[in-house]
Amino acid sequence: AQTVTQSQPEMSVQEAETVTLSCTYDTSESDYYLFWYKQPPSRQMILVIRQEAYKQQNATENRFSVNFQKAAKSFSLKISDSQLGDAAMYFCALLQPSYSGGGADGLTFGKGTHLIIQP
Amino acid sequence: DSGVTQTPKHLITATGQRVTLRCSPRSGDLSVYWYQQSLDQGLQFLIQYYNGEERAKGNILERFSAQQFPDLHSELNLSSLELGDSALYFCASSVGGLGQLTGELFFGEGSRLTVL
Repeated sequence: AQTVTQSQPEMSVQEAETVTLSCTYDTSESDYYLFWYKQPPSRQMILVIRQEAYKQQNATENRFSVNFQKAAKSFSLKISDSQLGDAAMYFCALLQPSYSGGGADGLTFGKGTHLIIQP
Repeated sequence: DSGVTQTPKHLITATGQRVTLRCSPRSGDLSVYWYQQSLDQGLQFLIQYYNGEERAKGNILERFSAQQFPDLHSELNLSSLELGDSALYFCASSVGGLGQLTGELFFGEGSRLTVL
């Protein structure tokens, strides 16, 4: 079974600074996707960034980038120039596609990191 | 707006009761997923449907059941409710299932269930 671990229950950063959220995972498969989802107080889950395991290049979306270390099974999220609107719960998630007909295409989530932005 | 619609947004009921949560996926999405988010368990995958058929089960209790209808909307039925069932229930949808994943799930805003 796959697992996702986020070891930082809460992080705080000054506005305009950079913060890195940690995530480690475990899977026996070589084909998988990794995601960071954001859940603001409105509670809707919003995709921030995703990474395909077969791609060596780290994904980047504007101020958000990841450091994907496949051998170490690590997938950290870096937020540059933090803004007040970035304050939210951030969830790391693993998707292990089921091409064989069995198992779920559902996501396995970590427990989340609560990110606080200090003005 | 993700395009996934969930109703009701809030629901308060008593122990032992039964409730139904409804989800309309994004237009064109064939897969529907149900997740439960509680403070102690985090986000837990419950069940997935693809084009009307059950695809996989996660940590879904026997008191819970779901189905996906021909128009692709889905319902999650929770019965014999207990205090511990109080949680936020999310529905998500994606384009496909087998071998057709874009890898992204689109989440609704959730249904907040409170069991008193």
